[in-house]
Amino acid sequence: DQQVKQNSPSLSVQEGRISILNCDYTNSMFDYFLWYKKYPAEGPTFLISISSIKDKNEDGRFTVFLNKSAKHLSLHIVPSQPGDSAVYFCAAKGMDSSYKLIFGSGTRLLVRP
Amino acid sequence: DAGVTQSPTHLIKTRGQQVTLRCSPKSGHDTVSWYQQALGQGPQFIFQYYEEEERQRGNFPDRFSGHQFPNYSSELNVNALLLGDSALYLCASSLGSGGWGETQYFGPGTRLLVL
Repeated sequence: DQQVKQNSPSLSVQEGRISILNCDYTNSMFDYFLWYKKYPAEGPTFLISISSIKDKNEDGRFTVFLNKSAKHLSLHIVPSQPGDSAVYFCAAKGMDSSYKLIFGSGTRLLVRP
Repeated sequence: DAGVTQSPTHLIKTRGQQVTLRCSPKSGHDTVSWYQQALGQGPQFIFQYYEEEERQRGNFPDRFSGHQFPNYSSELNVNALLLGDSALYLCASSLGSGGWGETQYFGPGTRLLVL
């Protein structure tokens, strides 16, 4: 039973354009969401997070949007750069399991020069 | 500022053997979590250690055990290895309350291959 789903396994975007990565969740007890980026042969690197009391959080080129009614979040990268090419994981943490992160299966982003 | 470190980076074992993986948390962190990442999947939570005790456990059998030392470093032990235990094992550290808003920071992982 996948509680966090990333339905697009891959995404290809032109350099300078916007990249939008999507994530859906099923557990209404989730109250904190994170995005991680992973390069080959490295561990996941924390990018940005959002709590359930907000609907938007920005950090430089990265913005995360949360739509609680739809149980959906998205990560926007503007402008996209070739160095952003990596696998992006969405993760969630909840009031019912507050210590563990539950991850989606990841989306591989390719930013073409 | 040292990040999360893990050793070894790669390991090859045969079925039935036992393995020990090691993790040192980021400076100032006191909590260590372990995750297993199979090929093409997201990391799966194994367990978390805080104050040298296992605080929460995921859906992994008792063959997976751990330990946390007074200096907050941690070990993951897997007994009676199966082919399906082949994966990337990730350690993540955080600062301990475990509550709302806590962010976990990951090490580079140990890639285990079971033959």
